[in-house]
Amino acid sequence: QKEVEQNSGPLSVPEGAIASLNCTYSDRGSQSFFWYRQYSGKSPELIMSIYSNGDKEDGRFTAQLNKASQYVSLLIRDSQPSDSATYLCAAGRAFGKGTLLTVNP
Amino acid sequence: DAGITQSPRYKITETGRQVTLMCHQTWSHSYMFWYRQDLGHGLRLIYYSAAADITDKGEVPDGYVVSRSKTENFPLTLESATRSQTSVYFCASSQGPLGNEQFFGPGTRLTVL
Repeated sequence: QKEVEQNSGPLSVPEGAIASLNCTYSDRGSQSFFWYRQYSGKSPELIMSIYSNGDKEDGRFTAQLNKASQYVSLLIRDSQPSDSATYLCAAGRAFGKGTLLTVNP
Repeated sequence: DAGITQSPRYKITETGRQVTLMCHQTWSHSYMFWYRQDLGHGLRLIYYSAAADITDKGEVPDGYVVSRSKTENFPLTLESATRSQTSVYFCASSQGPLGNEQFFGPGTRLTVL
């Protein structure tokens, strides 16, 4: 069973802080990794893709991949209340159950 | 506008009835997927399709039927709805198979009484 594990949260951070979201995956053959954001009552929205070890930055978002440790993370800098959502990690074809992030004004 | 749409957005039905959820995409993506999302289970893949007339089972296919006669449409049918099929259903599309970037429709919230 290919699994992606995420802390369900909620992860609560103050506005302006860095939010750090993590996931681990079991399938060593996974080649592609994604972060989706899902607002309450809405559908998942792709926000980051990463395919090789290291960091990938896009605006306030940085995805980090460590294939040796089977670990993926998403950093959100200068967190805003509008970042409050559930973040789904995907490794290959497997999705995690998501981490609920709350950014407090 | 280009994108992926689902209809209906909300549906209430009764146990034993047949229900069809529609999905339409305008990106000409080859691959389309159906997921259900339930508290505690996350997203679970029901069926997927690589092209017109090519479909395959996902993780939880029992009780569901799909067809894909046209690239842009991928309807999901519950042949005889059960209460356990009460869920939010998401259709998604992608340029590539599972493991590629997926783009999700707005979802259909289905309640089976």
